[in-house]
Amino acid sequence: GESVGLHLPTLSVQEGDNSIINCAYSNSASDYFIWYKQESGKGPQFIIDIRSNMDKRQGQRVTVLLNKTVKHLSLQIAATQPGDSAVYFCAETPLAGGSNYKLTFGKGTLLTVNP
Amino acid sequence: DSGVTQTPKHLITATGQRVTLRCSPRSGDLSVYWYQQSLDQGLQFLIQYYNGEERAKGNILERFSAQQFPDLHSELNLSSLELGDSALYFCASSPEPGSYEQYFGPGTRLTVT
Repeated sequence: GESVGLHLPTLSVQEGDNSIINCAYSNSASDYFIWYKQESGKGPQFIIDIRSNMDKRQGQRVTVLLNKTVKHLSLQIAATQPGDSAVYFCAETPLAGGSNYKLTFGKGTLLTVNP
Repeated sequence: DSGVTQTPKHLITATGQRVTLRCSPRSGDLSVYWYQQSLDQGLQFLIQYYNGEERAKGNILERFSAQQFPDLHSELNLSSLELGDSALYFCASSPEPGSYEQYFGPGTRLTVT
């Protein structure tokens, strides 16, 4: 597959460890925050989202934490597996209204899981 | 497999030319989104259509245009191409017009020489 980006922040973990991927956002008006995963040579894939009135949301092996005070979002992956190796993007969108549903994506973090 | 198809997979063309990228959304999805992904700009939203009508616009250049047809497939037209237009172009779809859970296609890699 093709590399998504050559100058991304990287995180390297051992298989079975927990991973934490961080994201800072700047728009205080953002209402939804979303994490996407992009494997090499593929399009992004939705993982989990969280609304601004929440500070934590859990999915299958993933947890998203939102700290609005410092405008910080994190994605925690439990028991990381080789299949989790990918670029992870956080995205934000402002309060839904009218037709303004566009997503603003962060630069991404490359997660590498070592067997 | 997300169910979203894009053609062609790769496209190589010269500066000044015009190309058309095609997207077929997932069965039943009425909303289509186009994104551009480049090394320096990252993943950027271009434009969204819902059931044939334009719903939202992002950082789309005037040289670019899109449309969604009655059968819900969408085309992104890129004209007067420049070297900087070389990028991956993704199409995504969702059943609702404002869904944050979007299903992305495999992308079209455009290279402008």
